[in-house]
Amino acid sequence: AQSVTQLDSQVPVFEEAPVELRCNYSSSVSVYLFWYVQYPNQGLQLLLKYLSGSTLVESINGFEAEFNKSQTSFHLRKPSVHISDTAEYFCAVRARGGGNKLTFGTGTQLKVEL
Amino acid sequence: GAGVSQSPSNKVTEKGKDVELRCDPISGHTALYWYRQSLGQGLEFLIYFQGNSAPDKSGLPSDRFSAERTGGSVSTLTIQRTQQEDSAVYLCASSLAGLSSYEQYFGPGTRLTVT
Repeated sequence: AQSVTQLDSQVPVFEEAPVELRCNYSSSVSVYLFWYVQYPNQGLQLLLKYLSGSTLVESINGFEAEFNKSQTSFHLRKPSVHISDTAEYFCAVRARGGGNKLTFGTGTQLKVEL
Repeated sequence: GAGVSQSPSNKVTEKGKDVELRCDPISGHTALYWYRQSLGQGLEFLIYFQGNSAPDKSGLPSDRFSAERTGGSVSTLTIQRTQQEDSAVYLCASSLAGLSSYEQYFGPGTRLTVT
């Protein structure tokens, strides 16, 4: 079984400031890792994923996440946030090799202020 | 192209009534998933359909919950004798099979309120 912990339920940040959203996971097997984003009044969208290879993955809108196996973490970072980044961010894992269900964290509400 | 659609978008029902929630996946997606998003509890996996295989029902919280998928496309999630703790947003997702199955596409959800 897998579990995902997002310790920060809310993260307020000023525009153009850097941000880090934390994600830690627990699993007895190797996993794939994902960040999904839910903008206000919209459905969940895949932001980025780690499947294999380079442990640093990037999204098209400037977010990046780094898989750290020893710390079982997959923190999401952006060096300079924009108002439009205001959304809820969910970290998720999926076991490799079988079963397609995603196990999600409880989400982090990112609020970008002027 | 069309994304995953769900209906109704909102449903208010009285405790004890049965409800049906519908999901239309993306055309060509063979895998379909149901999740529940409760306040403060993140997203919880409910059930997963893949082609003609037996569904993975391991996430269904009780025998009041059931789901079917007809013709490998549309799916219906049924909750019998609804309880107040069933109030949540029910999300449907679909994906391709095989190596592309890692990316799940989510619908807008059905907000269920049990009074």
